[in-house]
Amino acid sequence: DIQMTQSPSTLPASVGDRVTITCRASQSINSWLAWYQQKPGKAPKFLIYQASSLETGVPSRFSGSGSGTEFTLTIDSLQPDDFATYYCQHYNNYPLTFGGGTKVEIK
Amino acid sequence: EVQLVESGGGLVQPGGSLRLSCVVSGFNFGSYYMAWVRQAPGKGLEWVANIKEQGTEKYYLDSVMGRFTISRDNAKNSLYLQMNSLRAEDTAVYYCARYRGHFDYWGQGTLVTVSP
Repeated sequence: DIQMTQSPSTLPASVGDRVTITCRASQSINSWLAWYQQKPGKAPKFLIYQASSLETGVPSRFSGSGSGTEFTLTIDSLQPDDFATYYCQHYNNYPLTFGGGTKVEIK
Repeated sequence: EVQLVESGGGLVQPGGSLRLSCVVSGFNFGSYYMAWVRQAPGKGLEWVANIKEQGTEKYYLDSVMGRFTISRDNAKNSLYLQMNSLRAEDTAVYYCARYRGHFDYWGQGTLVTVSP
């Protein structure tokens, strides 16, 4: 099984900051990676697919990059609505697995 | 508007069974893979099972293989998860989701609690 490791697990940040979350796969997943945002008590919201393609309607301050085993999610100019937990997920093969999550919290 | 609405969760004793349902609207249900993803209280997301468009192929997390069965009724725009031999570690919010490699649409979730 492919293990997905996110860092950091918690990221204190302020409005306006540029934040970067890293996701590492235990083996190459090419670009078969997605990112999600989740707020407490809510379902996850899909943000990015194929490592760097932004879902329609997602603000352009979100961006993804990487391939192989190392990936990043970047939020430029963090907004109040962006404080949430972010998850990566590979879809290279079964079983599909998620990273452990990164909570972006108010500094 | 795309909507996925789960139901069927609740409190069940260890060893018991439960059947979750998910009714879908807003897209051509029979043209997409569907999936169940769960989240234990305070924990991260965990994929549980996928089913192909016509139900001909199914994929499961190892820990639920042989206990859970995913199925669908395309005429009713509905997805199901039959859960048998439930364990405490199956306690979670269960989400149904449309699967395209990534999970692009999610329901609101239904809570399953396995406890004596």
